Amino acid sequence: DAKTTQPPSMDCAEGRAANLPCNHSTISGNEYVYWYRQIHSQGPQYIIHGLKNNETNEMASLIITEDRKSSTLILPHATLRDTAVYYCIVRKAGNTGKLIFGQGTTLQVKP
Amino acid sequence: GAVVSQHPSRVICKSGTSVKIECRSLDFQATTMFWYRQFPKQSLMLMATSNEGSKATYEQGVEKDKFLINHASLTLSTLTVTSAHPEDSSFYICSARDPAGGLTDTQYFGPGTRLTVL
Repeated sequence: DAKTTQPPSMDCAEGRAANLPCNHSTISGNEYVYWYRQIHSQGPQYIIHGLKNNETNEMASLIITEDRKSSTLILPHATLRDTAVYYCIVRKAGNTGKLIFGQGTTLQVKP
Repeated sequence: GAVVSQHPSRVICKSGTSVKIECRSLDFQATTMFWYRQFPKQSLMLMATSNEGSKATYEQGVEKDKFLINHASLTLSTLTVTSAHPEDSSFYICSARDPAGGLTDTQYFGPGTRLTVL
């Protein structure tokens, strides 16, 4: 599975949009971009995933560049409860793909 | 999203004893489940892939005789830490793959089990 690169930490003001970048320059055509987050001492929570089109759900939006080498997770109105470690993971489609976690980005939402 | 549970949430045991952790998918059938371990201030490390009705596949460096995995049904996988020692103290997390999405199936995680070996 392709590796990803994320900044180790970011801050965001409460109520503002949080934009979390991820670089996956070696991504293959059959690999999806997944985002999870982990709040302290809990299991990871699924946020969103995509292949090449931008995706949006009730939690976030995922913007994938046209060359698919990078993506951005957008939390439109961050709250204090969004403080967590955010993981960007590239995974092959189908039942052979595994989620391999990197170090992620620690997002601190400040009042 | 789909719900995955783990039991127990916390366990403290003496060195040399065995501990069993259960992982259940509550509202979907999971042919594949995964077990991860997480040490303090570190990321999750995949230990093994558990397939219903067959032997688990372990990641490199994970002792299969120490971490016994059983996936006897489509909603239950168990991880048994045999002859636990203090260095096995960790946060153990399972996940289950919901096949409903087809090629874009999503893994959902349990809340984790905190194991402390004295």
